[in-house]
Amino acid sequence: DIQMTQSPSSLSASVGDRVTITCRASQGISNYLAWFQQKPGKAPKSLIYAASSLQSGVPSKFSGSGSGTDFTLTISSLQPEDFATYYCQQYNSYPQLTFGGGTKVEIK
Amino acid sequence: QLQLQESGPGLVKPSETLSLTCTVSGGSISSSSYYWGWIRQPPGKGLEWIGSIYYSGSTYYNPSLKSRVTISVDTSKNQFSLKLSSVTAADTAVYYCARLTPEDKDYWGQGTLVTVSS
Repeated sequence: DIQMTQSPSSLSASVGDRVTITCRASQGISNYLAWFQQKPGKAPKSLIYAASSLQSGVPSKFSGSGSGTDFTLTISSLQPEDFATYYCQQYNSYPQLTFGGGTKVEIK
Repeated sequence: QLQLQESGPGLVKPSETLSLTCTVSGGSISSSSYYWGWIRQPPGKGLEWIGSIYYSGSTYYNPSLKSRVTISVDTSKNQFSLKLSSVTAADTAVYYCARLTPEDKDYWGQGTLVTVSS
């Protein structure tokens, strides 16, 4: 089974900050990596697929990079609506999926 | 616009079987190329993929839950269902149904809280 490890598990940041979240796979997954955003009480929403491709309608302040085992999600300038929990998900073995543990982005 | 809606009991007794149904509207569950899945989220915790099914009935399960999970599909009703047996308090969670196609738009139900308690 492929395990996904995110870091940090939480972070505090200010509006306008650049934020980077890391996700590591227990084995190589090429670029079969997606990022999701979840706000309290809501279902998750896909932001990025194939490690770096933005889903339709997702603002360009979100970007992803990486391949193999190490991936990052960057938010270039944090806005109030971006405070949420972010999850990585591997789909190298689709339809089997694995989510990372999540990173909660809080207001400093 | 595709919509998914979970339904089922919000309270299940320990050792019993949790049963949920996801009704799909605005599109056919028999569309090719799509898997339909269940994901859960214990209160205050992260997301856990439970399993997925193709309209033909092919299933894939999380190895950690495989012995207790059954997912089935009813194409005539445009529904798919989850059964999780021998539940304990650790199975208390918000259960989501979803269409997760990695390089396509994702669709989720609103989620339903299932509490395991006597």
